Amino acid sequence: NAGVTQTPKFQVLKTGQSMTLQCAQDMNHEYMSWYRQDPGMGLRLIHYSVGAGITDQGEVPNGYNVSRSTTEDFPLRLLSAAPSQTSVYFCASSYDGTGYEQYFGPGTRLTVT
Amino acid sequence: EDKVVQSPLSLVVHEGDTVTLNCSYEVTNFRSLLWYKQEKKAPTFLFMLTSSGIEKKSGRLSSILDKKELFSILNITATQTGDSAIYLCAVNKNSGYALNFGKGTSLLVTP
Repeated sequence: NAGVTQTPKFQVLKTGQSMTLQCAQDMNHEYMSWYRQDPGMGLRLIHYSVGAGITDQGEVPNGYNVSRSTTEDFPLRLLSAAPSQTSVYFCASSYDGTGYEQYFGPGTRLTVT
Repeated sequence: EDKVVQSPLSLVVHEGDTVTLNCSYEVTNFRSLLWYKQEKKAPTFLFMLTSSGIEKKSGRLSSILDKKELFSILNITATQTGDSAIYLCAVNKNSGYALNFGKGTSLLVTP
């Protein structure tokens, strides 16, 4: 049982490049979400999903796309990277979204130059 | 607009001290409040509180929620250097599935 896994751990992109951050969980959790964490800002929700085929926007969705074709995977796509997207990205999952604890992945540190 | 405010933002104490971290919130349709500890990597779950006045306890850590005054506190007694971390408070709403996080309290425990 690996929990929540994220790849890559580190990534450097040039402005305008696109990439996909991968997230997978093996706990059969319905609810998955993506957060970004910036110094002094706490964790801010980017997108979330309440089940396969269902996604919705969080607090800071601009510049990011998600899809959920399986229960296990929830990739986050950066369409055209900007320096403002330099951050640490965390994926999380929970049994459902109704207050159950969310389990976090180890994070991806992204730098956009 | 929903708000989750943590105080203080940072704190330095000596080993053995007791600390109290605060989290106040203004959200509609409150369902639960969660505390997480974040060391170098991902946040790890500490407590989830849904009912007022019921203390949750785990070793030297305890937490309580006041739904009338809209706040929660996290207490750590007999602090150790391993308690050094960022402590995050988050609120979950009935009307959604997201966690709304505060900015965190950075705690440093010195030997």
